[in-house]
Amino acid sequence: GAVVSQHPSRVICKSGTSVKIECRSLDFQATTMFWYRQFPKQSLMLMATSNEGSKATYEQGVEKDKFLINHASLTLSTLTVTSAHPEDSSFYICSASTGLIYGYTFGSGTRLTVV
Amino acid sequence: AQSVTQLGSHVSVSEGALVLLRCNYSSSVPPYLFWYVQYPNQGLQLLLKYTSAATLVKGINGFEAEFKKSETSFHLTKPSAHMSDAAEYFCAVSHTNAGKSTFGDGTTLTVKP
Repeated sequence: GAVVSQHPSRVICKSGTSVKIECRSLDFQATTMFWYRQFPKQSLMLMATSNEGSKATYEQGVEKDKFLINHASLTLSTLTVTSAHPEDSSFYICSASTGLIYGYTFGSGTRLTVV
Repeated sequence: AQSVTQLGSHVSVSEGALVLLRCNYSSSVPPYLFWYVQYPNQGLQLLLKYTSAATLVKGINGFEAEFKKSETSFHLTKPSAHMSDAAEYFCAVSHTNAGKSTFGDGTTLTVKP
């Protein structure tokens, strides 16, 4: 079945540094990937939608200059949290679409802690 | 516009008892509906989805859900709870099978021995 690999699973970084999170579709081509953010004990909030070869579409209230999304190939999308601050600490999850017939698959998530 | 309301942020059942997790949706177009399970510090696993075919949808791990348009509901059930079912459950709605989804706030299921 469709597998999405998300890396790293956990990362701790210092305030002011940048962190890159990768989302790879291992056995299919993902034309669309979604990035979600989840605070503790809360639901998933969609941050942005990325389509291969084009600019990501950000949801209202999400800073596109802070959360840089690149979808350069059909199997890889990256989320870079720039100049991270403690309030950016969260669980970030990607999902990749295999198309209308098959739906989409979620990655295993990345726990980001900014200290 | 679309939204999901999960009634009950916490549900506790005894092992072997019926599991019922409630989900009501709002959608301006015929919806696609999903139930996911999440274990601590893990991603989401799809349990089942409704895509306008049969209204009673069977999923993995013995779960099923029934789409009721008149009630705008998509409640998740399992006849007999196992300890391994203890997790967070999310209901989600989308306009397509592969578009962006709106998630409910989640329901924490606790299973007592």
